[in-house]
Amino acid sequence: DTGVSQDPRHKITKRGQNVTFRCDPISEHNRLYWYRQTLGQGPEFLTYFQNEAQLEKSRLLSDRFSAERPKGSFSTLEIQRTEQGDSAMYLCACQTELNTEAFFGQGTRLTVV
Amino acid sequence: GESVGLHLPTLSVQEGDNSIINCAYSNSASDYFIWYKQESGKGPQFIIDIRSNMDKRQGQRVTVLLNKTVKHLSLQIAATQPGDSAVYFCAENTGGFKTIFGAGTRLFVKA
Repeated sequence: DTGVSQDPRHKITKRGQNVTFRCDPISEHNRLYWYRQTLGQGPEFLTYFQNEAQLEKSRLLSDRFSAERPKGSFSTLEIQRTEQGDSAMYLCACQTELNTEAFFGQGTRLTVV
Repeated sequence: GESVGLHLPTLSVQEGDNSIINCAYSNSASDYFIWYKQESGKGPQFIIDIRSNMDKRQGQRVTVLLNKTVKHLSLQIAATQPGDSAVYFCAENTGGFKTIFGAGTRLFVKA
């Protein structure tokens, strides 16, 4: 257990529905990342938060995706009007400013049917 | 461009032997490189990292070698154990906020 919690672990949704995932990072880890991972591939960067500020977004993050970290603690990732291509594992990671080690959660596996 | 890749998708070794997992990168500006281990159903787990101004770094049973001349990174695992079976990713960071992962190598350890 890395101390990073993600909820839910699994989500099956119908195409066109909205979904929201939650990440609870390690306390006092002010850097928070979202990644997407498809089968057989490495994680792909989606977005980064420094405390509550979203400082970087990948071009992979279309306008259907939005992420928040309102109080600089937990974060949510919402996907609107889901498509089958959104099916993937969504990983959250956190890090302190002084450490190169990032701690990953177990991920939320999304299946869009 | 920014890309990190791996030479081999799978590696099979005998328990007790040493394992060597290789990785090529293309961004000369990378600040540091990281190796992650990912077991089935889990998120990636940090193993070891190396700064770009270093050639070698050792951890517990693991050694990472960095050859900047040929842009090559390797992870050596000594006395490989069944618990080492996993997918291993190399990743690079340019000192900013984005870590770029390679596609991974699956390590099988035969008993």
